[in-house]
Amino acid sequence: GENVEQHPSTLSVQEGDSAVIKCTYSDSASNYFPWYKQELGKRPQLIIDIRSNVGEKKDQRIAVTLNKTAKHFSLHITETQPEDSAVYFCAAKYSGGGADGLTFGKGTHLIIQP
Amino acid sequence: NAGVTQTPKFRILKIGQSMTLQCTQDMNHNYMYWYRQDPGMGLKLIYYSVGAGITDKGEVPNGYNVSRSTTEDFPLRLELAAPSQTSVYFCASRIMTSGKETQYFGPGTRLLVL
Repeated sequence: GENVEQHPSTLSVQEGDSAVIKCTYSDSASNYFPWYKQELGKRPQLIIDIRSNVGEKKDQRIAVTLNKTAKHFSLHITETQPEDSAVYFCAAKYSGGGADGLTFGKGTHLIIQP
Repeated sequence: NAGVTQTPKFRILKIGQSMTLQCTQDMNHNYMYWYRQDPGMGLKLIYYSVGAGITDKGEVPNGYNVSRSTTEDFPLRLELAAPSQTSVYFCASRIMTSGKETQYFGPGTRLLVL
């Protein structure tokens, strides 16, 4: 089955700086890669996703890049703000039949220092 | 729409007891999922369903059972609770449409087995 590795486990950045979180996946058939944000005690919420036919996707201060050859994808947050502090999870799946459900990384605790 | 709702929010069980975690969605989504999240870890898929009457195992199904008699409801059953089942349980759902992969999560059920 799919295996997703996520790094780093904790990331501390100064407010206004950029943050980058990286994930690798093992199954070359995976073609859908979402990122979820989870605040303490809350449910995971989708912040951005990318499909394997696209190399990069942006949404305001958030961007995701995908390298299919190397089987890794990254989340980029620019101009970080205090409300960006949370745990971020990457995930992967094959979208096209067969088994369903997301395989998640272990998460990155992002801390924005004032 | 209420989205995805889960009950109870919190429960303490004794070893060997049984219980059912309830999940309901009012978005007419075909796909529903159960994940568990252990402290400091990502979510792991327990079971999923692609429609009423159809369920399938995920990554960690042992010790759990599910049923899907209606589109709206997807209960998770623990028959003989064990300390290893102490976790936060999230239910999620998504629509079955090409290109629509977003999973919407419920608020979670925190379970403690003593």
